Amino acid sequence: NAGVTQTPKFRILKIGQSMTLQCTQDMNHNYMYWYRQDPGMGLKLIYYSVGAGITDKGEVPNGYNVSRSTTEDFPLRLELAAPSQTSVYFCASSIHRDSAQFFGPGTRLTVL
Amino acid sequence: GQNIDQPTEMTATEGAIVQINCTYQTSGFNGLFWYQQHAGEAPTFLSYNVLDGLEEKGRFSSFLSRSKGYSYLLLKELQMKDSASYLCAVLDSNYQLIWGAGTKLIIKP
Repeated sequence: NAGVTQTPKFRILKIGQSMTLQCTQDMNHNYMYWYRQDPGMGLKLIYYSVGAGITDKGEVPNGYNVSRSTTEDFPLRLELAAPSQTSVYFCASSIHRDSAQFFGPGTRLTVL
Repeated sequence: GQNIDQPTEMTATEGAIVQINCTYQTSGFNGLFWYQQHAGEAPTFLSYNVLDGLEEKGRFSSFLSRSKGYSYLLLKELQMKDSASYLCAVLDSNYQLIWGAGTKLIIKP
């Protein structure tokens, strides 16, 4: 099993550009999450999904969108990138809502 | 508001024991997790506590007191590879994880 995979690993965007961060898991987990991690701060939940076709906002959803058309994939869309979106983005999945979450390797995004 | 507090940085000696504390104030409680994160890598799961008491897993143990809003992670027989950040996270009433900023553990020979 590959676990949780994310692409790309690194990306530099210009202000106003858009991009999609890809996330795939092969563990048949229903629950998937997107976090951002900024230096000196705890991870912040952006969006989460409890199953295919169901998504919901987390703590910091503004400027982002998600979709969950399959159990495996949970892409995160950034529209009109801003410098405040410079961060490390982690995708994670879990089998139950109170189970350990397994993380992908992360995407390091810089917006200039 | 919801808050997780843990020390920013700790230093310990190889072979010794270190205790990393975590205090929390959250809206509801459905469990507490500890994760390890090496620099530039993703967090990896270490332990889960939902009932009061001590959970032991090899060199690592985690303790929880729900009445005090307190947990600690105990690392024994420290190795150089234990140099990492240790993240405390609480599952709140909405089953969302609230994360602390992490404790950077530096191991010296």
